[in-house]
Amino acid sequence: AQSVTQLDSHVSVSEGTPVLLRCNYSSSYSPSLFWYVQHPNKGLQLLLKYTSAATLVKGINGFEAEFKKSETSFHLTKPSAHMSDAAEYFCVVSYGSSNTGKLIFGQGTTLQVKP
Amino acid sequence: GAGVSQSPSNKVTEKGKDVELRCDPISGHTALYWYRQSLGQGLEFLIYFQGNSAPDKSGLPSDRFSAERTGGSVSTLTIQRTQQEDSAVYLCASSPEAGAGEQYFGPGTRLTVT
Repeated sequence: AQSVTQLDSHVSVSEGTPVLLRCNYSSSYSPSLFWYVQHPNKGLQLLLKYTSAATLVKGINGFEAEFKKSETSFHLTKPSAHMSDAAEYFCVVSYGSSNTGKLIFGQGTTLQVKP
Repeated sequence: GAGVSQSPSNKVTEKGKDVELRCDPISGHTALYWYRQSLGQGLEFLIYFQGNSAPDKSGLPSDRFSAERTGGSVSTLTIQRTQQEDSAVYLCASSPEAGAGEQYFGPGTRLTVT
C-alpha cells in the first residue's frame, strides 16, 4: 500500500532556530511529493512540490525540502523559524501510474514556535 | 482570481438528517476532489471528479455518501442519514487537470452531527 509517514506529531522550536519536519513515503512508482501547511482556521496552502525535477525543492516562506530516493524521505526544513510558521504541516504524496491525482496525506506535524 | 469556495462554512445537524455540502471550484479547473479531515482519521480522500464523471469513488466511507458535479463546475456532496462519526471538516480541492500536482483547497465545511 502506498503511504506517507510523518515521524513527529509535534515539533517545538525557538524563534530563529532551524526547523526540521520529517517525512518518509512508500511507493512502487515515482511519486509526486508535496508539503502543505494549515494555519488555524485557514485552508490548506501548498508550501512546495517535488515532481522529479531537482531533488532540492524550494518553496514559499523560506522552506525547502530534499527528495532522497535511497532513504524514501522528503524532509522539510527552514533555516530560521518565525512565529508566523506555527501551524500544522502535512506531507503529501500523489502517485503517477494511473494518476487521478488524488492526494494521500500524512498524519500531520504541529509546529510550535516559542519566542 | 477567486479561489475554491465552499458552503456552508459550518453545519450542525441532528443524527439521521440528510445534509448537502457545496463546492465551487476555480473556474476552468477540470479536476475536483473531496477530502474529509477528522480527529481520528486525519485527512482522507473521498472522491475525484474529472469533468462531470467520477472515475474514483474509492474513498467514500459508505453508501450514505454520494456526490455529483454538474456543468463541469459546482459539486455537491450529500450525506444521508447522518451519524455522529460523520462529524468532520469536509474539504474540496480543484486542479487544472488530474495529476497536475498542486490542488487548490477551499476553506472547508465543518459538519457537526448531534
